Amino acid sequence: DAKTTQPNSMESNEEEPVHLPCNHSTISGTDYIHWYRQLPSQGPEYVIHGLTSNVNNRMASLAIAEDRKSSTLILHRATLRDAAVYYCILSPAYSGAGSYQLTFGKGTKLSVIP
Amino acid sequence: NAGVTQTPKFQVLKTGQSMTLQCAQDMNHEYMSWYRQDPGMGLRLIHYSVGAGITDQGEVPNGYNVSRSTTEDFPLRLLSAAPSQTSVYFCASSYRWDRSEGYTFGSGTRLTVV
Repeated sequence: DAKTTQPNSMESNEEEPVHLPCNHSTISGTDYIHWYRQLPSQGPEYVIHGLTSNVNNRMASLAIAEDRKSSTLILHRATLRDAAVYYCILSPAYSGAGSYQLTFGKGTKLSVIP
Repeated sequence: NAGVTQTPKFQVLKTGQSMTLQCAQDMNHEYMSWYRQDPGMGLRLIHYSVGAGITDQGEVPNGYNVSRSTTEDFPLRLLSAAPSQTSVYFCASSYRWDRSEGYTFGSGTRLTVV
């Protein structure tokens, strides 16, 4: 899977928007961009994913650069519950037998300040 | 919906013992998988299944067996536990195998082998 680069950590004040960046300069045309987060002592939680167009759901928005070499996860109003490690993952849509893995890197640890 | 249910939540085994980690989902997902998470190493894929009766190996399959006799259940068997298998185990499922949909993760089983 292609690699992603994320900042190790970020801080945000509660109730303010948060923009979590992800660089993926080697992305291929069929790679989906997935975002997951993991709260302490819990399993990863799906946040959002997209291919080319910007995406919105109840949890967040995903802004994808026109050249697809970077993306930004947007939390519109951070709450204390949003403090977690956020993972940006590239995942080929059709990768053949034996390659069904989501490759989790180190992610970005988001701290939310009350 | 219960989502993905993993049991037990905690387990301590002695070296050489065998056990089965249970995973069940009620979302009619065709794809199910097992990951292990070790400190500083991210999540690694152990085994996966793209449908009932179909399983295959992931990145770290040694010492583990799986079977998928129903759509709902995907148990992970440790054949002869070793201290190196001390980890947190997560089961994940998805409606589709091709990553065009997000994965739902269980809350994990924390296993200690002494």
